[in-house]
Amino acid sequence: NAGVTQTPKFRVLKTGQSMTLLCAQDMNHEYMYWYRQDPGMGLRLIHYSVGEGTTAKGEVPDGYNVSRLKKQNFLLGLESAAPSQTSVYFCASRSNRDRDTGELFFGEGSRLTVL
Amino acid sequence: AQSVAQPEDQVNVAEGNPLTVKCTYSVSGNPYLFWYVQYPNRGLQFLLKYITGDNLVKGSYGFEAEFNKSQTSFHLKKPSALVSDSALYFCAVRYPLDTGRRALTFGSGTRLQVQP
Repeated sequence: NAGVTQTPKFRVLKTGQSMTLLCAQDMNHEYMYWYRQDPGMGLRLIHYSVGEGTTAKGEVPDGYNVSRLKKQNFLLGLESAAPSQTSVYFCASRSNRDRDTGELFFGEGSRLTVL
Repeated sequence: AQSVAQPEDQVNVAEGNPLTVKCTYSVSGNPYLFWYVQYPNRGLQFLLKYITGDNLVKGSYGFEAEFNKSQTSFHLKKPSALVSDSALYFCAVRYPLDTGRRALTFGSGTRLQVQP
């Protein structure tokens, strides 16, 4: 079982470059999330999606865009990367079967460095 | 706004001793509470959750957690620590009325170091 797969796992960008992180899940989950993890700050929600074709902002959405054209994929884009976006990015997904009691399933993370 | 606090950045314990990792949550309704563990260079893995019912919940790898409504706490415990338990632990909360995001809010994390 693949679960949640993130690509790429590592990337180094220069300030101003753009890139897209891909998250794919094979569990037929409705909800998908992008978090960033920074030392001492835990995980902060960037954007999320409650279904195919829908996205919404989380706590720290500035500088990021997302798309969910297919149910199994959730893309996170950086249009013009900044050093403050150096972080580890985690994608997660969840089923809506358990009326919000279900746990999140996480990918392995994508480490992004912006120089 | 929903939030959780993990007051300790790091917890050190000797192998074989009991361990506790603390978590408190903000008061607003009846929360759903979760614990996750993160090993180096890996994603977060679910350990256990409290939804309703018995205040003591048991989870993976011998961990358990006690929900205490009066103290608004959800501390993670294990009777006998193993070196392999060394990892980063996150507490998280979701409130049933948060029907918009349906997301988890995470604490800042506590690093558990178990010494041989």
